[in-house]
Formats: sequence, C-alpha cells, structure tokens
Amino acid sequence: DAGVIQSPRHEVTEMGQEVTLRCKPISGHNSLFWYRQTMMRGLELLIYFNNNVPIDDSGMPEDRFSAKMPNASFSTLKIQPSEPRDSAVYFCASSSVGGAWWNEQFFGPGTRLTVL
Amino acid sequence: SQQGEEDPQALSIQEGENATMNCSYKTSINNLQWYRQNSGRGLVHLILIRSNEREKHSGRLRVTLDTSKKSSSLLITASRAADTASYFCATLTQGAQKLVFGQGTRLTINP
Repeated sequence: DAGVIQSPRHEVTEMGQEVTLRCKPISGHNSLFWYRQTMMRGLELLIYFNNNVPIDDSGMPEDRFSAKMPNASFSTLKIQPSEPRDSAVYFCASSSVGGAWWNEQFFGPGTRLTVL
Repeated sequence: SQQGEEDPQALSIQEGENATMNCSYKTSINNLQWYRQNSGRGLVHLILIRSNEREKHSGRLRVTLDTSKKSSSLLITASRAADTASYFCATLTQGAQKLVFGQGTRLTINP
C-alpha cells in the first residue's frame, strides 16, 4: 500500500487566498484525521471522520476552516480566506477504529503551508 | 490542557547508550501510543499499549505503563544515529473519541 497520500506537499499563498489541502487515506481504513502542527501549539487535532461522517470538529479554529470527506478514499481541508497565522504543517492520518478500541494512526507526509 | 506530557523536552546522548523518555497523563485511558517523527516527516507509530498491559517490547523499544501513577516510559536500547527524532506519546482517554498528543521529546544521538 502507498500509505496516506497528501497533496500538495508545499503551498505558499498570499493572505486572503483560498487554500485546499487533499488527502487519500489507506484503503480499508474507516477513520480519517486532520492535524495541524506548529512550534508553538504542537500537534492539534482539527477534525475526525468515521465512515465519512464528521465526528468531532471541535478543533477547527474558526469558520474559515472546513473539511469534507465525500467518499472513503478522499478528503479535503479548505481554508478560506487564509491568514498568516494559518502557516503550519497540516497532516492527514487514517486508522481503523472500532468501538472503544483504537488502533495506530498512519500519518501522511504533511503539507507545509506558508501564508504570506 | 495537554493530556500527555513528555519529559524531558530534549535529550542528547551518545550512540550506543540507552534513551528513556517519560509521559504523564491526567485521566484514565484506554490505550497509550508512542510515535516517532523525523525532521520534516509525518509521525510513525511505534508501539500501542493498552490500559490492562504493563509492558511491551518491539525490537530495541520497551514501553511500560503504570496506570496507578498515570505514566508511561519509552526505552530505546543501544541507540543509533538514526534514532534521532522527536518522540510523542498519545493517549486515548476513556469515553473520548480522539487521541491527544503531547508536545514530544526531541532526542539527539551523537555519533
């Protein structure tokens, strides 16, 4: 398996522009996670999907952030409009989750976002 | 507030020595996981230990869990330069539906 695939790997944009990050989870995994990593705040969970349904989006910073999972093999994280403070590395991860037991998460390589 | 907090924040040792990192957490857990992150890369899962387990091994890695003290430790034996990375613990709290990651320990192995 190719693992979790993210695109783009790097994105540089100007403040106010729309940014769309993409993720393809590992085939057969039923859960997908979007994380943001910065030096100041560490690794933060933004949103988590189970069977394509958003379960917990309490980590989404504000209305400028939105995420979708139209099918089991694709998810997007959109920032509109982007701001310099959104600059971070965004990770997508997938896992098999069943009941009260969670298995390990498999992370993608990340998208390094720079908003000027 | 962070559920899992690693200690120390940074550790620098000589190649061949053992490295020990600790993780403390606040509330009861279902499981605790350790991950490694090399610079510029995504996190890689190392070991998962469930709340009813006390110790697990994987190659040169040994993880212990003490639920009475709400703490875990990760031991890397006979360290190698390639072990240089940041190590994170992540906890799945009972009743919660998400892993919470600590801030990590930055490990440097000097040749």
